Amino acid sequence: EVQLVESGGGLVQPGRSLRLSCAASGFTFDDYAMHWVRQAPGKGLEWVSGISWNSGSIGYADSVKGRFTISRDNAKNSLYLQMNSLRAEDTALYYCAKDRLRNWNYGFIDYWGQGTLVTVSS
Amino acid sequence: SSELTQDPAVSVALGQTVRITCQGDSLRSYYASWYQQKPGQAPVLVIYGKNNRPSGIPDRFSGSSSGNTASLTITGAQAEDEADYYCNSRDSSGNQDVVFGGGTKLTVL
Repeated sequence: EVQLVESGGGLVQPGRSLRLSCAASGFTFDDYAMHWVRQAPGKGLEWVSGISWNSGSIGYADSVKGRFTISRDNAKNSLYLQMNSLRAEDTALYYCAKDRLRNWNYGFIDYWGQGTLVTVSS
Repeated sequence: SSELTQDPAVSVALGQTVRITCQGDSLRSYYASWYQQKPGQAPVLVIYGKNNRPSGIPDRFSGSSSGNTASLTITGAQAEDEADYYCNSRDSSGNQDVVFGGGTKLTVL
């Protein structure tokens, strides 16, 4: 059974940093691309970032480009999102998601975690 | 970046058929995937590719595509199908991002 468990969310002040983690199990982690997708309270889904199976290709939404960094550690079956210069509009539930392919840029997400909540507020 | 447009809300009588649509230029080149999200839960993939259902998804869910429009059809809607539905696809504008539609709230009457 595929399991994706996010952690690292919390309350943070504007301008500060936060690092999210996602522990994956139930599948061969280094065979698949991974994504972060967020959902602001009461709003729709917004793709944040994707990373290929070997970290060779990475993409970001324009809204986070230059502030967020996605990475993965295949030895630890883990995905990360380093979030810097956080803004109020980054407040959302952040989902870790698995792709069906090795590359991220088709967005073929097939499994989602339960999410970790990030609140940016002073 | 590209946009995918969905109707904000759709309703259907119990047992009837409903079509939820997703429009965008990228759909002329790429298939949409469809996700169901119930309150307080993570999204679940219901349709991907031309018309493929993951294991465990009832066969009353089907997908189709024509021109710039992708559709999710529920034939014989059940009360448990009441949820938000999102489409997504690859962006075709040049950024090669991944894009989601704004979501459709389905009410089963």
